[in-house]
Amino acid sequence: NAGVTQTPKFQVLKTGQSMTLQCAQDMNHNSMYWYRQDPGMGLRLIYYSASEGTTDKGEVPNGYNVSRLNKREFSLRLESAAPSQTSVYFCASIPAGGGYGYTFGSGTRLTVV
Amino acid sequence: SQQGEEDPQALSIQEGENATMNCSYKTSINNLQWYRQNSGRGLVHLILIRSNEREKHSGRLRVTLDTSKKSSSLLITASRAADTASYFCATDGYGGFKTIFGAGTRLFVKA
Repeated sequence: NAGVTQTPKFQVLKTGQSMTLQCAQDMNHNSMYWYRQDPGMGLRLIYYSASEGTTDKGEVPNGYNVSRLNKREFSLRLESAAPSQTSVYFCASIPAGGGYGYTFGSGTRLTVV
Repeated sequence: SQQGEEDPQALSIQEGENATMNCSYKTSINNLQWYRQNSGRGLVHLILIRSNEREKHSGRLRVTLDTSKKSSSLLITASRAADTASYFCATDGYGGFKTIFGAGTRLFVKA
């Protein structure tokens, strides 16, 4: 009963490098989300996938791409990392139908130098 | 722009005391949620209150919602050192998939 699993937990990148953050959920949830958390700013939505096969931009999508590989997996890609993307990234999922809370992963702490 | 704003930003109390955190929001909502985040961990869902509900309880947690004032409060009774965490409110609008989180209240419970 893993819930939402994110990998890696920590990553240091150099400016311009690329990487993919992985997220998988085993709860058969329809919708999946990527948030970033910066000090004093709460969580900001990067991208979301309302259901398998669909993805949409959130509040801060610039510099990111996503792939909903299947119902379980939703990955976030940084094509050319910038220092402004230093943050903690959280993946979350939620069942269909509304009226439920999110289940979050434990986060990926990313530093871009 | 953030929908939910928590108040206070930080709160320090003694174990056994009650802790009250407030959340204000700007537009109509479908529901409001409260989450807890321990240092270095993901957020954990605590409670969801729908727009047609005024009060909800879960263990030592009591949440109220006043849609006329666009505000909610989270009360933690008989606090424990283990309640030390950041608490976030989050609001869901109608017809969309985007939940908006506030910046959080940092609660410190002294043993």
